[in-house]
Amino acid sequence: GQSLEQPSEVTAVEGAIVQINCTYQTSGFYGLSWYQQHDGGAPTFLSYNALDGLEETGRFSSFLSRSDSYGYLLLQELQMKDSASYFCAVTSGGGADGLTFGKGTHLIIQP
Amino acid sequence: NAGVTQTPKFRVLKTGQSMTLLCAQDMNHEYMYWYRQDPGMGLRLIHYSVGEGTTAKGKVPDGYNVSRLKKQNFLLGLESAAPSQTSVYFCASLRWPQASEAFFGQGTRLTVV
Repeated sequence: GQSLEQPSEVTAVEGAIVQINCTYQTSGFYGLSWYQQHDGGAPTFLSYNALDGLEETGRFSSFLSRSDSYGYLLLQELQMKDSASYFCAVTSGGGADGLTFGKGTHLIIQP
Repeated sequence: NAGVTQTPKFRVLKTGQSMTLLCAQDMNHEYMYWYRQDPGMGLRLIHYSVGEGTTAKGKVPDGYNVSRLKKQNFLLGLESAAPSQTSVYFCASLRWPQASEAFFGQGTRLTVV
């Protein structure tokens, strides 16, 4: 089956850079994606990597290494509104679960 | 474009009662999912569907049933609610597994007393 590991909590300072790591185990891997969820809200899509390398979307970047089954989300110029939970997720095929999420990383931003 | 819509948003049930949660998407997506979210547990997959008329079990299917009679709708049923099913339920849709972005409904907060 599929499994993902990510830190449960990360603390950073406003204006700084933070990296959230994710390692995964899966079969029939298609891609690794990242979602943001504010308290009381629904997860919203941030980024997706199907191939090795870095994808940049504004202040957020995501990296994937398929050979290492590893990825990370990089948040730059942190703002207080970035305080949220961040989930990595794998999409996979071959009759597997399809879309499996990690347990999430709670990001705390300090002024 | 409404995206993914879940009903109801909130519900309180008594132990043993039944209910159905409705998820509707207007994006013609093939894949639909039901998750439950509990503190510290992330999003756990209950059931999913890879197309109209098909359903499959996820990681935590016990106590739940689903149906996908129409492509745009995915129903989650609780036949006899238990306090352990108190949770926030999210529905999501994906065009196909290779697609990059899943779209989520706004969630249903269910309390079983």
